[in-house]
Amino acid sequence: AQSVTQLDSQVPVFEEAPVELRCNYSSSVSVYLFWYVQYPNQGLQLLLKYLSGSTLVKGINGFEAEFNKSQTSFHLRKPSVHISDTAEYFCAVSDRSSSASKIIFGSGTRLSIRP
Amino acid sequence: DGGITQSPKYLFRKEGQNVTLSCEQNLNHDAMYWYRQDPGQGLRLIYYSQIVNDFQKGDIAEGYSVSREKKESFPLTVTSAQKNPTAFYLCASSMDRRYSNQPQHFGDGTRLSIL
Repeated sequence: AQSVTQLDSQVPVFEEAPVELRCNYSSSVSVYLFWYVQYPNQGLQLLLKYLSGSTLVKGINGFEAEFNKSQTSFHLRKPSVHISDTAEYFCAVSDRSSSASKIIFGSGTRLSIRP
Repeated sequence: DGGITQSPKYLFRKEGQNVTLSCEQNLNHDAMYWYRQDPGQGLRLIYYSQIVNDFQKGDIAEGYSVSREKKESFPLTVTSAQKNPTAFYLCASSMDRRYSNQPQHFGDGTRLSIL
């Protein structure tokens, strides 16, 4: 079975500063990895996904993430954040060998941007 | 525009009452999901359906029921057996039920509270 750990429940940063949101996963099999963003009182939107190939994945809104198999991590980064990035971010994993499209979500990291 | 529509946006339940949350998608997706979101706990899977007239229990199915009579629709009933129903409920869908690399698309959620 897979699990996802988001190490920080809240991350405060100043506007235009860089940010890294940490995600570690546990799985006995190969996985696909996802990052989603949730704005207040809305559903989740896909930011980016790692399926195969290059370990550096670029997503929407200037975010990117790097898959590190040896450290079982998939940290999300942005070089310069804006007030509009204030949201909750979820890391998620699915089992490559599964015949069903189930995804396991982390508990989320709330990103707050200070002006 | 294609998407997932959840209704109502806010719902109140009285003691002993069953309530039904609506989820409709026009993305022609095979698989549909219901999640419960509580603060600090991320998303927990209630039920999922990979095909019409078939569905499976997720991690927290007790006190909930679903049906999948049409591809587009996956309503969730919160029964009186669910003693702590106050939460944000999210419906999602994914394109192909056979593959675990499919990202999920989300509706904007229904917030359920107890009267």
